[in-house]
Amino acid sequence: EAQVTQNPRYLITVTGKKLTVTCSQNMNHEYMSWYRQDPGLGLRQIYYSMNVEVTDKGDVPEGYKVSRKEKRNFPLILESPSPNQTSLYFCASSSGLLGDTQYFGPGTRLTVL
Amino acid sequence: GNSVTQMEGPVTLSEEAFLTINCTYTATGYPSLFWYVQYPGEGLQLLLKATKADDKGSNKGFEATYRKETTSFHLEKGSVQVSDSAVYFCALTSYNNNDMRFGAGTRLTVKP
Repeated sequence: EAQVTQNPRYLITVTGKKLTVTCSQNMNHEYMSWYRQDPGLGLRQIYYSMNVEVTDKGDVPEGYKVSRKEKRNFPLILESPSPNQTSLYFCASSSGLLGDTQYFGPGTRLTVL
Repeated sequence: GNSVTQMEGPVTLSEEAFLTINCTYTATGYPSLFWYVQYPGEGLQLLLKATKADDKGSNKGFEATYRKETTSFHLEKGSVQVSDSAVYFCALTSYNNNDMRFGAGTRLTVKP
């Protein structure tokens, strides 16, 4: 089954404790992206990647890191989480062709205390 | 830059009512336009899309027409069901990259 998976689905942590949210897709997609969803703001892009070893900032990259060492994986790293990073995070992937559909993971709800 | 504005919710309708959720956009060139739906506790799923002016996207009884002259992509359904209760997002990708912009989302609740 074609899918995007994320882990963990739920995470409660404390300020400053490094964490990684994993994202993996099995559709051989070139393009992958991370978004955060906050009430009243819709989804905002954090980082995206057009291919292996190619990443770029989205609208809200501060406080986040990503890497793309393999085509299927695109982890999101919070080196020193802060309470304002409490949010619902989604990973997405697409073929990379212009206008193509993005496929979303189930989301990771992160709470930073 | 590119942006999407959609009508604020929440929207509450009775079953079999007509639904319209307005969406307008600002973009250079000819963006591709999308409606995504998010059911409770789930990720976003593509509902429908249109990639050029005057195209109509349709799926599960929902429709939206890409109107370049009014820069709009309004979502409509003739008769909603309780199972349509969800959050709906209008989105666009630019004509020259995959940067996707989302509206704020509209929560729809359909009561039996």
